[in-house]
Amino acid sequence: RKEVEQDPGPFNVPEGATVAFNCTYSNSASQSFFWYRQDCRKEPKLLMSVYSSGNEDGRFTAQLNRASQYISLLIRDSKLSDSATYLCVVHGSSNTGKLIFGQGTTLQVKP
Amino acid sequence: EAEVAQSPRYKITEKSQAVAFWCDPISGHATLYWYRQILGQGPELLVQFQDESVVDDSQLPKDRFSAERLKGVDSTLKIQPAELGDSAMYLCASSRGRNEKLFFGSGTQLSVL
Repeated sequence: RKEVEQDPGPFNVPEGATVAFNCTYSNSASQSFFWYRQDCRKEPKLLMSVYSSGNEDGRFTAQLNRASQYISLLIRDSKLSDSATYLCVVHGSSNTGKLIFGQGTTLQVKP
Repeated sequence: EAEVAQSPRYKITEKSQAVAFWCDPISGHATLYWYRQILGQGPELLVQFQDESVVDDSQLPKDRFSAERLKGVDSTLKIQPAELGDSAMYLCASSRGRNEKLFFGSGTQLSVL
């Protein structure tokens, strides 16, 4: 089993739609969780950190479910510019603080 | 805004040749990472430095890859000899400390012919 798993998609949604991605992780001791956005052939860029209480940044909401070991990202009112790959990042099982990336979920927002 | 500097942006080489990538992290960032990303997959950690020390190189193919960060600032990743399967994006990232958010450089796109 991979340490961090995501549905690769693609998720094809119309503008204005609400879309949600989940990411499951295997290390129950993980303390750090992030969502990154990556455009085609570009470097990943931090979208938001994920806090235990959940957090929101504009149209984006991230939540953590420790009991079920998953994090989620909700995007409301999708824009064409939201089309990208969304990478889930979790603190791995080693004691070195290694951050493990999921495969990424591709979102395509259509007009 | 401070950035992670990487060079070169693109590299084309023939198999069995040597290649090297350079990274200068954000000033003050103690932790430096080299990731490899194959198209369609998430980045995979190759090596992690804390200052000048390697703290994780478990996924680094040590028969052909080497990495150093001699003064705890900039870093070099080398491949010798390059193989066709090494074609990928090589990403450098830095963070203030372990488990903290990563800032990435623009990456080096390597093509091995």
